[in-house]
Amino acid sequence: NAGVTQTPKFQVLKTGQSMTLQCAQDMNHEYMSWYRQDPGMGLRLIHYSVGAGITDQGEVPNGYNVSRSTTEDFPLRLLSAAPSQTSVYFCASSRLGRDLTQYFGPGTRLTVL
Amino acid sequence: AQKVTQAQTEISVVEKEDVTLDCVYETRDTTYYLFWYKQPPSGELVFLIRRNSFDEQNEISGRYSWNFQKSTSSFNFTITASQVVDSAVYFCALSALWANSKLTFGKGITLSVRP
Repeated sequence: NAGVTQTPKFQVLKTGQSMTLQCAQDMNHEYMSWYRQDPGMGLRLIHYSVGAGITDQGEVPNGYNVSRSTTEDFPLRLLSAAPSQTSVYFCASSRLGRDLTQYFGPGTRLTVL
Repeated sequence: AQKVTQAQTEISVVEKEDVTLDCVYETRDTTYYLFWYKQPPSGELVFLIRRNSFDEQNEISGRYSWNFQKSTSSFNFTITASQVVDSAVYFCALSALWANSKLTFGKGITLSVRP
């Protein structure tokens, strides 16, 4: 049982480049989400999904796209990277219902030059 | 709207001291969950505890204890006899039951435990 996995662990992009951050979970969790962590800001929700085919925006969605074609995978796409997207990105998953505990992946540290 | 305030930003203690991390929250919801997460220097986020809004029973788990008080909207976390390995950033977070697991985080408290 690997839990929540994220790839890559580190990435450097140039402004304007695109990339996809991968996230997968093997716990059959309905809920998956992406957060970004910036110094002094805590974690802020980017996008989330309550099941395959269903996604919605969080607090800071601009510049990011997501899709959820399977229960297991929830990739985050940066279409045209900007320096303001330099951050640490965390993917998380949880069951829906009474137990809302979210379990986090190890994170991806992204630098946009 | 939900809000989590961790007024302490950095705390430094000497090993074996007790330390309490404060968390104050705001929500209009009657059913919600509160969480503490630990982020050690390695960077991962580790789940520590979850409390339901309808369960004010406080808990002790080894050196950790939690004090949940709805009357003051507080969910404080105490480490007894702190150790160097407790050095980390600690996040308090809130989720309303209706919000489909969406977490609102505080900005975190950096705890440094010196030998």
